[in-house]
Amino acid sequence: DAKTTQPTSMDCAEGRAANLPCNHSTISGNEYVYWYRQIHSQGPQYIIHGLKNNETNEMASLIITEDRKSSTLILPHATLRDTAVYYCIVRSLTGANSKLTFGKGITLSVRP
Amino acid sequence: DSGVTQTPKHLITATGQRVTLRCSPRSGDLSVYWYQQSLDQGLQFLIHYYNGEERAKGNILERFSAQQFPDLHSELNLSSLELGDSALYFCASSPRGQGYNEQFFGPGTRLTVL
Repeated sequence: DAKTTQPTSMDCAEGRAANLPCNHSTISGNEYVYWYRQIHSQGPQYIIHGLKNNETNEMASLIITEDRKSSTLILPHATLRDTAVYYCIVRSLTGANSKLTFGKGITLSVRP
Repeated sequence: DSGVTQTPKHLITATGQRVTLRCSPRSGDLSVYWYQQSLDQGLQFLIHYYNGEERAKGNILERFSAQQFPDLHSELNLSSLELGDSALYFCASSPRGQGYNEQFFGPGTRLTVL
């Protein structure tokens, strides 16, 4: 699986949009971009995934650049409960192993 | 609530001992994954079982072993415990062995080795 690079941390004000960037310049054609988050030692939680089109669900939006070398997770209206470590993961869905390879992630702090 | 359960929630034991961690996947999920999260190594994949069979191994020590039973619950056995084995152990489940979108994580077992 391709490697991802994320900033160590960022913060945003409650109610504002949080834009979390991720670089994955070595991504290959059959690899998807996934986002998970982990709230203070709880089990990681799936947020969203995409291949090349932008995706939106009830939690977030995922914007993937046309060359697929980077992406941005957008939490449109951040709340205090969104404070967590967010992991950007690049993963192929082919092959027998569907493990998730977690990096260090980005710590998002939402301030009141 | 992800639907994945793990027991016990906390476990404190001594070096050299053996412990068993248990995971019950979501109803109908055939795959179980085990991950270890320590302060210095982060979240690391240990092993994957699908419908009772081992599918893949990650950074799992020889002192550790796992199995998945016919009712699909899984156990992770850790033996000859060392201080460095202190960590959070998560299991996750998904419906199939590959190609599925998400893994559903349990709340974890916090292991402390004294």
